[in-house]
Amino acid sequence: SAVISQKPSRDICQRGTSLTIQCQVDSQVTMMFWYRQQPGQSLTLIATANQGSEATYESGFVIDKFPISRPNLTFSTLTVSNMSPEDSSIYLCSVDQGEAFFGQGTRLTVV
Amino acid sequence: GESVGLHLPTLSVQEGDNSIINCAYSNSASDYFIWYKQESGKGPQFIIDIRSNMDKRQGQRVTVLLNKTVKHLSLQIAATQPGDSAVYFCAENKGSGNTPLVFGKGTRLSVIA
Repeated sequence: SAVISQKPSRDICQRGTSLTIQCQVDSQVTMMFWYRQQPGQSLTLIATANQGSEATYESGFVIDKFPISRPNLTFSTLTVSNMSPEDSSIYLCSVDQGEAFFGQGTRLTVV
Repeated sequence: GESVGLHLPTLSVQEGDNSIINCAYSNSASDYFIWYKQESGKGPQFIIDIRSNMDKRQGQRVTVLLNKTVKHLSLQIAATQPGDSAVYFCAENKGSGNTPLVFGKGTRLSVIA
């Protein structure tokens, strides 16, 4: 199994600012996945982060808004840029090691 | 019944009764299905999975049923307990590893003591 640590666990941010979320895995993984969970909704994939290449974004998500870094096989960051209240969500990272494991999520509130 | 907007469908059951949570999946090419439990303030937690070459799989107090003909998945929880109260999501992918999951809408299970 994989243990995933996400930081911060929650934050309240002013609109127009940016927040970087960190995801650390206790083992090396090829791909890391970033999901968004809006209030009362299911999880939606934002992008897939592969070490050594640019992240692959899903429809409706763009790199300028959600830049992702993947500097090594155990770490990734997701930045939520120029935030608005509509960005208030839980953001989760995930890895697949036979089964998908998730971090505990970052609960973001934009005011 | 199902609500729209910000409200998840809710299933309320008495403690000790059996719960059945249903999910319709979208991709007929999916061959791997998982049920997750998400408690408040936590990430999704794996419950049970099933591959498309099976139609039933049992775990401890939980059973997953897969009907590929109608693209339907269900989770049965036996002798539901207050600790089972959570939101339950089904998820699917092509099961080849390192592919992202596509999640269903979710159902909130509320156990009445």
